[in-house]
Amino acid sequence: EVQVVESGGGSVQPGGSLRLSCVGSGFPFDHYAIHWVRQVPGKGLEWVSGITWKSESIGYADSVKGRFTISRDTAKNIVYLQMNSLRPEDTALYYCAKDRLRQGHAMDVWGQGTVVSVSS
Amino acid sequence: DIQMTQSPSTLSASVGDRVTITCRASEDINTWLAWYQQKPGKAPTLLIYRASGLESGVPSRFSGSGSGTEFTLTISSLQPDDFATYYCQQYNSYPWTFGQGTKVDIK
Repeated sequence: EVQVVESGGGSVQPGGSLRLSCVGSGFPFDHYAIHWVRQVPGKGLEWVSGITWKSESIGYADSVKGRFTISRDTAKNIVYLQMNSLRPEDTALYYCAKDRLRQGHAMDVWGQGTVVSVSS
Repeated sequence: DIQMTQSPSTLSASVGDRVTITCRASEDINTWLAWYQQKPGKAPTLLIYRASGLESGVPSRFSGSGSGTEFTLTISSLQPDDFATYYCQQYNSYPWTFGQGTKVDIK
């Protein structure tokens, strides 16, 4: 079964940091772009960041640029989202999603998400 | 950034109805558009890619069309399993952006 699984969420104070991880199985993980999408409960979807298969192209939402960093460890088949300088408005369910292709081309497999809560 | 605007925000329909959701981009995105379905408490699922490509396993009652700045998602005959929220999303350029969503509920 093709799937991605997120981990690393939790509760943190404003200004703190968290690192999310995304692990894939059932497919050659290093052959696909990977994305992070977040959703505040009851609200819409917000694309956060994406990385192509060789990390040659990386993108960020304006709301997280300069604070979040996406990276991938091809040896471990993991994509990370390092989140620094966290704000209350970063509180959300964070999904990892597999791209259809090596470059960015829509997201065809989604995890169940990991919750990030930022509050004092 | 490219803004994506969906209409309507909410749509009330009955089983068997033909349903159309519109998505407009603030600039030309060619056909770099996807549609997703999301049910409460679940992750989104991909329905349509490249504006009109039907994702594997998605029923043929779903179809997409459009190019440039105007796109539509059509459900030819609404089924009970289709009551959900639908999102369009552009992947023409970073940052990728979603529409605000269209909730399809029971009339």
